[in-house]
Amino acid sequence: NAGVTQTPKFRILKIGQSMTLQCTQDMNHNYMYWYRQDPGMGLKLIYYSVGAGITDKGEVPNGYNVSRSTTEDFPLRLELAAPSQTSVYFCASRPGGPGADYEQYFGPGTRLTVT
Amino acid sequence: DAKTTQPPSMDCAEGRAANLPCNHSTISGNEYVYWYRQIHSQGPQYIIHGLKNNETNEMASLIITEDRKSSTLILPHATLRDTAVYYCIVRVIDYGGATNKLIFGTGTLLAVQP
Repeated sequence: NAGVTQTPKFRILKIGQSMTLQCTQDMNHNYMYWYRQDPGMGLKLIYYSVGAGITDKGEVPNGYNVSRSTTEDFPLRLELAAPSQTSVYFCASRPGGPGADYEQYFGPGTRLTVT
Repeated sequence: DAKTTQPPSMDCAEGRAANLPCNHSTISGNEYVYWYRQIHSQGPQYIIHGLKNNETNEMASLIITEDRKSSTLILPHATLRDTAVYYCIVRVIDYGGATNKLIFGTGTLLAVQP
């Protein structure tokens, strides 16, 4: 298994540009998550999904959109990039259903700079 | 989810045990204690979790006090590769719900010295 993969690894955007951060997992996990991590800080949850076709907001969803058309993929969309979105973005997934007690598996991250 | 308090940084000599404390004085009876770590420039990695009994796996041991208001993560023989930020997280297992959200604080930077 490749686990959780994210592309690209690095990206520089100009203010107002848009882009999609890709996340794929090959473990057949139902639950997927997007986090952002600002320098020197812990991770903050942006969006999550409990299965294909179902998504919900986390702590800091403003400026982002997600979709979950398949179990494997959970892309994160930035429509109008702003400097405040400069961060490292991590995708994660976990197996199980409601009430399940499982660890989250994280991808390697995408480092995004908006200038 | 309960708030946790961790020291911002700690040092440990290579080969010695690293003991990382976490205070979670407002923890509820149905909240678990989780530990993750993040090696520089990588995604977080699960280490261990527990409810009230002490737990051990191939990576570490977790000691939870009887009143559950604090816990200690023990890396028995720290190596240079264990240098990382260690996050203590308390959360409810989401019965009937959906989220399993992890609320990360700023963690403890453990520096293992040669």
